[in-house]
Amino acid sequence: EDQVTQSPEALRLQEGESSSLNCSYTVSGLRGLFWYRQDPGKGPEFLFTLYSAGEEKEKERLKATLTKKESFLHITAPKPEDSATYLCAVQIRTSGSRLTFGEGTQLTVNP
Amino acid sequence: SQTIHQWPATLVQPVGSPLSLECTVEGTSNPNLYWYRQAAGRGLQLLFYSVGIGQISSEVPQNLSASRPQDRQFILSSKKLLLSDSGFYLCAWKRAGGRDTQYFGPGTRLTVL
Repeated sequence: EDQVTQSPEALRLQEGESSSLNCSYTVSGLRGLFWYRQDPGKGPEFLFTLYSAGEEKEKERLKATLTKKESFLHITAPKPEDSATYLCAVQIRTSGSRLTFGEGTQLTVNP
Repeated sequence: SQTIHQWPATLVQPVGSPLSLECTVEGTSNPNLYWYRQAAGRGLQLLFYSVGIGQISSEVPQNLSASRPQDRQFILSSKKLLLSDSGFYLCAWKRAGGRDTQYFGPGTRLTVL
């Protein structure tokens, strides 16, 4: 069965304290992996798409990487405005355009 | 540029009442459209998706139904709401074909009392 697991469930950081969020997946044929940011009461906001192992994408303080088993979202010197829930989703070759989501990591950055 | 709208933003409905949530997309043609439900502010569960007018695929058997009467309009309905239908409903769109990203609307918060 295809599975997407995110860890940790929640993470508290001090401003400037770098860390990483993990998204591990067990799927039969990865077509793409997506990272989203979601603020409370709002729809997910697209961050990155990764298609193949070894690929990396960066945006401001965020950097996403992909291996054959997992993806990491690295947050460098976070600020309080980076506080949000970060969602990972996978697209599987045999499932058309459907996305399977993880449960998310709730990140809090304290000033 | 493309934009996606959902309404209403919030809704409080009694058990047994009907439901109609609407989603529209602007700035693109023939998009793939999706309805998700999110419980407790965490992972998203795909409910329905559509690749064209009148074409609906259901992912989870439930009390809900979806329709796509126009190219850029997607509607989520129920004849009789259950308490378990409460949640945050999200509509998303994607360009037809390929591996393109899904973009989400602002969501509708539904509370069934």
